[in-house]
Amino acid sequence: AQSVTQLGSHVSVSEGALVLLRCNYSSSVPPYLFWYVQYPNQGLQLLLKYTSAATLVKGINGFEAEFKKSETSFHLTKPSAHMSDAAEYFCAVSPTGGGNKLTFGTGTQLKVEL
Amino acid sequence: DVKVTQSSRYLVKRTGEKVFLECVQDMDHENMFWYRQDPGLGLRLIYFSYDVKMKEKGDIPEGYSVSREKKERFSLILESASTNQTSMYLCASRKTGQGGAGEQFFGPGTRLTVL
Repeated sequence: AQSVTQLGSHVSVSEGALVLLRCNYSSSVPPYLFWYVQYPNQGLQLLLKYTSAATLVKGINGFEAEFKKSETSFHLTKPSAHMSDAAEYFCAVSPTGGGNKLTFGTGTQLKVEL
Repeated sequence: DVKVTQSSRYLVKRTGEKVFLECVQDMDHENMFWYRQDPGLGLRLIYFSYDVKMKEKGDIPEGYSVSREKKERFSLILESASTNQTSMYLCASRKTGQGGAGEQFFGPGTRLTVL
């Protein structure tokens, strides 16, 4: 069974500082990996995804994530946080061998302070 | 743009009531999903449907059923609502043919309170 672990349910950064949200996955083979963002009172939207092409994936709003097989990690970063980045972020995993199931992590709430 | 709409943003029901949550997507997607979102637990899959009249149980199907009579509409039914079903319910859709790599598109959610 696949799973993802997001370290830190709450992360706080200053505006302009580096954003680093951690995600580790558990899977017998490298899976597909996703980061979704949920702004207050909205549904989720896709930030970026890894589908076994480039290991460094660039997404919307200046976010990127690097797939590291040796560390079973897919951490999300942004060089400079903006107030509008305040949201909840979810890492998710899906099997590469087919199937429909997307398994989500427990989420990380990002707070951006002045 | 893909649009997934849910019939209500907020819903308050009483214990024992039958509750219908409706979801409609306008992009001709074959796959549709129902999740519940609870603080500290993330999103958990209740049911999904890979085509009209097709459905499969997710991780937490107990106490729920679904209906998919038309491609664009996927309904979640709580046969007899209980207080532990108070939650945020999110619907999503996805085009088939991409396997696990396909993006899911989410509705805004329905916050259900069962008293």
